[in-house]
Amino acid sequence: GAVVSQHPSRVICKSGTSVKIECRSLDFQATTMFWYRQFPKQSLMLMATSNEGSKATYEQGVEKDKFLINHASLTLSTLTVTSAHPEDSSFYICSAVEEGWYSNQPQHFGDGTRLSIL
Amino acid sequence: AQTVTQSQPEMSVQEAETVTLSCTYDTSESDYYLFWYKQPPSRQMILVIRQEAYKQQNATENRFSVNFQKAAKSFSLKISDSQLGDAAMYFCAYRSYYPQGGSEKLVFGKGTKLTVNP
Repeated sequence: GAVVSQHPSRVICKSGTSVKIECRSLDFQATTMFWYRQFPKQSLMLMATSNEGSKATYEQGVEKDKFLINHASLTLSTLTVTSAHPEDSSFYICSAVEEGWYSNQPQHFGDGTRLSIL
Repeated sequence: AQTVTQSQPEMSVQEAETVTLSCTYDTSESDYYLFWYKQPPSRQMILVIRQEAYKQQNATENRFSVNFQKAAKSFSLKISDSQLGDAAMYFCAYRSYYPQGGSEKLVFGKGTKLTVNP
C-alpha cells in the first residue's frame, strides 16, 4: 500500500527556533500533499494544500510567513515553522495523494510530528 | 461549505460486540466521497473504509461496514466483532467528487473516541 513517511516524529526546541518537518511519499508520486495541525483531543485542521512545483494554498487564518511550505518534487513536501513559539506547539500531520487526484484515491497520512516549543 | 458532524464524542463497546458510530454531513453537491479514518494512540491516521456517493451499495471491509443514507445525509460506521485493537479515535470525512482549483481537501468531523472493553 501507499506509504507516507514523516520526519521527525518528535521535536523539542527553544522558542525562536525554526523547525523543518519533512513529508515523503515512499512508493508513489504525490502531486498534492496536505498539512494538518491537530490540537489535543480535537480533529485535524487543514493548514495548507501543497501542489508540486507551485505555491501552497493556505487556509484562512494560517500565516503563510509563519508556516513555510515547499513541494519541490513529487515525493517530498516540507513544512517549516519559522521562529517557533510555545503557541506553535502541536501535532502536525501530512498527507499525500497519488497522481490522478481526480480518481477516488484517498489521502495517505504520515505518522505525524509532535512539536514542543519551550 | 460542507460540514461533517459526529454527535458522539465517546462510545464504548464490549469486546466481540457490535458498535455503530454516527456521522451526518451537509452538502449541496450530488457527487462526493465519504471516508472513515481511524487514529489509534500512535496518532497515525488509517483509512478504514470509503464510499462513493453515486454507489447505492454500502461499502464493506471485513468487520467494518457503513450505512450510507444519501437522502438523509447520513454515513454511519458499524464495527462487528469488536477487538481491543479497534480502540481509537474515529473520524468521518467528506471530499467533493469534482476538485476545485486543482485539488480538494477533506472535511473532517470532530471525531468519536471508541473504547473497547475486554
